[in-house]
Amino acid sequence: DTAVSQTPKYLVTQMGNDKSIKCEQNLGHDTMYWYKQDSKKFLKIMFSYNNKELIINETVPNRFSPKSPDKAHLNLHINSLELGDSAVYFCASEPRGGGAYEQYFGPGTRLTVT
Amino acid sequence: AQSVTQLGSHVSVSEGALVLLRCNYSSSVPPYLFWYVQYPNQGLQLLLKYTSAATLVKGINGFEAEFKKSETSFHLTKPSAHMSDAAEYFCAVSTLYNQGGKLIFGQGTELSVKP
Repeated sequence: DTAVSQTPKYLVTQMGNDKSIKCEQNLGHDTMYWYKQDSKKFLKIMFSYNNKELIINETVPNRFSPKSPDKAHLNLHINSLELGDSAVYFCASEPRGGGAYEQYFGPGTRLTVT
Repeated sequence: AQSVTQLGSHVSVSEGALVLLRCNYSSSVPPYLFWYVQYPNQGLQLLLKYTSAATLVKGINGFEAEFKKSETSFHLTKPSAHMSDAAEYFCAVSTLYNQGGKLIFGQGTELSVKP
């Protein structure tokens, strides 16, 4: 069983469209994250949720809206897509907050905006 | 604020040679430090972590790292490189942030292994 799964794996869309990426973890973890990896492979946190509650919002544009319907799922909706949103988006989960635990990463969603 | 610097965006070694990937951190509090590996077109996988126990940390695939507070370093080593070690390696420091530990990553080091 895949521990952290993301759908879709690839997403190609045009500027101005709205798209969603879904993430699910079957590890029973309390905390989930979204990270963005740019074309230079630099990874930066976007959001984190703990038990469905937003904990971290790292100055991400309002066009990005995460939603956590339950603690096993964390989705990312992006409105009015821009060229600069092209990146690989990783979902991750952690047993519980505190910073000492391993984060488990999904396979990533490669978003290409044309 | 915490930060991580990885020296060298690309390191090339011969198969069987020593691997040394450098990481320096900045933290105002005792840090939690991690090394993750990313194989092409995959997510990140934990190699090892330091959480204030032993300063020499052993990880998977023969990798280890030593926490040196005086040098604010957490360099990753492997005695003998294997072709399968070719990947992107990320050093990260974790912040205690409310109920979530935010990972701050270094810029990454791409390891190439020559036959």
